[in-house]
Amino acid sequence: DQQVKQNSPSLSVQEGRISILNCDYTNSMFDYFLWYKKYPAEGPTFLISISSIKDKNEDGRFTVFLNKSAKHLSLHIVPSQPGDSAVYFCAASAPSGNTGKLIFGQGTTLQVKP
Amino acid sequence: KAGVTQTPRYLIKTRGQQVTLSCSPISGHRSVSWYQQTPGQGLQFLFEYFSETQRNKGNFPGRFSGRQFSNSRSEMNVSTLELGDSALYLCASYGYSTDTQYFGPGTRLTVL
Repeated sequence: DQQVKQNSPSLSVQEGRISILNCDYTNSMFDYFLWYKKYPAEGPTFLISISSIKDKNEDGRFTVFLNKSAKHLSLHIVPSQPGDSAVYFCAASAPSGNTGKLIFGQGTTLQVKP
Repeated sequence: KAGVTQTPRYLIKTRGQQVTLSCSPISGHRSVSWYQQTPGQGLQFLFEYFSETQRNKGNFPGRFSGRQFSNSRSEMNVSTLELGDSALYLCASYGYSTDTQYFGPGTRLTVL
């Protein structure tokens, strides 16, 4: 049972344009969401997070939007840079509220072309 | 502050052997979680330790176990290794002040 889904395995965008990565979840009890970026053979690096009491959180070039009614979140990267090329994972806190357990999506590979 | 460290970075074992992986969390972090990453299953939660007690457990067989020491360092053990245990094993420590998990570089385990 995949509770967090990233339906697009890959995304390719031109440098300077916007990258939009999407994530859907099924459990309405999830109350905290995070995005991580991962390079091969390295651990995930935290990018940005959002609590369910908000619908938007911004940090520099990264913005996360949360639509609770649709159980959908998205990560916007503007402008995209070649160094952003990596695998992006969205994750949700377990319904128990215990933030030591994250449920991850399958990841989306972003390629930013110069 | 130093990040999460994991040792060893790479490991090759044969079927039937056992393995122990180590993780040192960020200083001051008391929660340590372990994850398995494989191409087919993605990132899956193994277990979490807090103050030397297992607080959460994922859906893995009993061959996977862990422990945490009083200095918050954690180890995970996999007994009777199977080919399917080949994966990247990631450790993460949780910072309550930032409400975020921070990951180590991982241990790449190959079972032959």
